[in-house]
Amino acid sequence: GENVEQHPSTLSVQEGDSAVIKCTYSDSASNYFPWYKQELGKRPQLIIDIRSNVGEKKDQRIAVTLNKTAKHFSLHITETQPEDSAVYFCAARAAGNKLTFGGGTRVLVKP
Amino acid sequence: DVKVTQSSRYLVKRTGEKVFLECVQDMDHENMFWYRQDPGLGLRLIYFSYDVKMKEKGDIPEGYSVSREKKERFSLILESASTNQTSMYLCASTPGAGVYEQYFGPGTRLTVT
Repeated sequence: GENVEQHPSTLSVQEGDSAVIKCTYSDSASNYFPWYKQELGKRPQLIIDIRSNVGEKKDQRIAVTLNKTAKHFSLHITETQPEDSAVYFCAARAAGNKLTFGGGTRVLVKP
Repeated sequence: DVKVTQSSRYLVKRTGEKVFLECVQDMDHENMFWYRQDPGLGLRLIYFSYDVKMKEKGDIPEGYSVSREKKERFSLILESASTNQTSMYLCASTPGAGVYEQYFGPGTRLTVT
C-alpha cells in the first residue's frame, strides 16, 4: 500500500520567515495530495491540495509543489505569522477515497 | 457547512470494557472513516465505509470493529478495550464522486485504564 513520509517532525521559524515541509510517497499511482492544518485542540482542516496533473498551486501565502518523477511534494508558507503555528499533515490518495497521511509537522512561529 | 459530530470529546474506560464511539455527518456523504491520532504517527486509518452496511479494513483494524446501519452514522467499536488503545480518535467523511476532501469531527480522546 501507499506510504507517506513527512519531514521535519518539528519546525521553528521566526515570524516573517518562510517554512517548508516535505513529503515523499511510495505509490506512483497516487494522484491527489492534500495538506491539512490542525490547530491545538481543533480538528484537521484542508488548507490546500494539488492533483497530479499540476506541478504547483498557490493560495495567498501558501503554496504546494509536486514532483511526480521524484514522488515528493512540499508545502511552502511565506511571511509566517503566529496563527500559522499548528500541526500540518500531508496525505496522498492512490485509489478510491482513502488517504494515507504523513506523520505530521509541528510548526512554531516565534514572534 | 459540513458538520461532523462525535458522541464524546473525552471518554475514560476500564480495560476489558466494550466501547462505542459514534460519528454523525449531516451532508449525505457517501464515505466515512475512522482514524486514530498518536504523536509522531500522524493519522492512521482504522476502518472506512463506502456505503451503508459496507466496511473495509484500514491500516490498523486489529482490536476494532465498525457499524454503518444508516448513511449518516458510522460507529467504531472496541470489543475489549486495552491500554494501548488510549488515543485520540477522529472520524471523517467525504462526499465521494471524485471529491476527496475529508471533513473531520472534533475527535474523542479515549483513555483506557
